[in-house]
Amino acid sequence: EAGVVQSPRYKIIEKKQPVAFWCNPISGHNTLYWYRQNLGQGPELLIRYENEEAVDDSQLPKDRFSAERLKGVDSTLKIQPAELGDSAVYLCASSLEGSDTEAFFGQGTRLTVV
Amino acid sequence: AQSVTQLDSQVPVFEEAPVELRCNYSSSVSVYLFWYVQYPNQGLQLLLKYLSGSTLVKGINGFEAEFNKSQTSFHLRKPSVHISDTAEYFCAVSEGGSQGNLIFGKGTKLSVKP
Repeated sequence: EAGVVQSPRYKIIEKKQPVAFWCNPISGHNTLYWYRQNLGQGPELLIRYENEEAVDDSQLPKDRFSAERLKGVDSTLKIQPAELGDSAVYLCASSLEGSDTEAFFGQGTRLTVV
Repeated sequence: AQSVTQLDSQVPVFEEAPVELRCNYSSSVSVYLFWYVQYPNQGLQLLLKYLSGSTLVKGINGFEAEFNKSQTSFHLRKPSVHISDTAEYFCAVSEGGSQGNLIFGKGTKLSVKP
């Protein structure tokens, strides 16, 4: 069974440019998470979806970050415009319906803003 | 607010030696506790978790951890490490009822030397 798939694996962009990350969760998983992992730190939750609804986006910097999960399956996370401090690994995770089930993580997208 | 402290940022150890990675947490409510492993350029893989019941939890790859409520600790142990255990290990906590809304520590890099 395929795990959580993220693309691209690596992305280098200049500051002020837009960037988008894509996540395909495990089939049948209704709950989807986006985390950001800064260098030398643990991951931090950005947003959680239950199906297509964002139920917790309190940690998402809404001035430049946006996310969507159309049809409650795949999700995209966008940054516009990117800043140097956005350089990090962006991890997607998914779980069965509800937050009381184990989350499985993708390999992440490593973003470098220059 | 919940928080997780991993007391050691780096732990060097020789192959076949025992190892303990320390984790302390703070929370005012009942919690779930987790240990994840991250190999270079990979996502997070769950090693073990404590939800309730026995305070000694056994996980994959020969790892185990003990939940100590009075000391608010959840230390990870392995009696004999292998070269392949070289990775970064993250302790995480969530409020009871959620396995996906995780607060991570900063991680401990385990280096196993021959």
